[in-house]
Amino acid sequence: AQSVAQPEDQVNVAEGNPLTVKCTYSVSGNPYLFWYVQYPNRGLQFLLKYITGDNLVKGSYGFEAEFNKSQTSFHLKKPSALVSDSALYFCAVRDMGAGKSTFGDGTTLTVKP
Amino acid sequence: SAVISQKPSRDICQRGTSLTIQCQVDSQVTMMFWYRQQPGQSLTLIATANQGSEATYESGFVIDKFPISRPNLTFSTLTVSNMSPEDSSIYLCSGLAGLGYENIQYFGAGTRLSVL
Repeated sequence: AQSVAQPEDQVNVAEGNPLTVKCTYSVSGNPYLFWYVQYPNRGLQFLLKYITGDNLVKGSYGFEAEFNKSQTSFHLKKPSALVSDSALYFCAVRDMGAGKSTFGDGTTLTVKP
Repeated sequence: SAVISQKPSRDICQRGTSLTIQCQVDSQVTMMFWYRQQPGQSLTLIATANQGSEATYESGFVIDKFPISRPNLTFSTLTVSNMSPEDSSIYLCSGLAGLGYENIQYFGAGTRLSVL
């Protein structure tokens, strides 16, 4: 069975500082990993994905994620946080055969001015 | 890309009644899913909606309680039957668009259901 863990319920950073939202995964085969963001009263929006290739993946809104196979991690990063980045972030792993994704519990990111 | 529209966006219902949620996608998607989410919490997969056949339900969810239809590639409905306050939640429709490893999962804005 596949799973993802987001060890932090909440991350607080000051605007302009770098941010990291952590995710670790467990899969039996190749990992297909995703990050989504959810703003209040909205559905989830796709940010980026790792399928294969470069370990550093770039996505929307200046976000990037670093895939680390030895640590089974896929941390989301941004060099300079914006107040508008404040939202709920989900890491997910997809079973490419069944098409179903397993989501982490989510991390609330708060960026303070 | 795909834009997913859900309606209603929210509803307040009485115990024992049923509510049907509609999900419309603006382009063909290969797979459609229905999730449940408590505010600020993770997503729980209810079922995969299969075109022209019975949905595939996850453990803990049954067809009698959550009947699902998907008559074509762009439309699906989820009915929450014989509702109780425990069914109060956000219900999200989702679709996979794109081919193979390039496909991306898109989500509707959700239906906020309160059962009194």
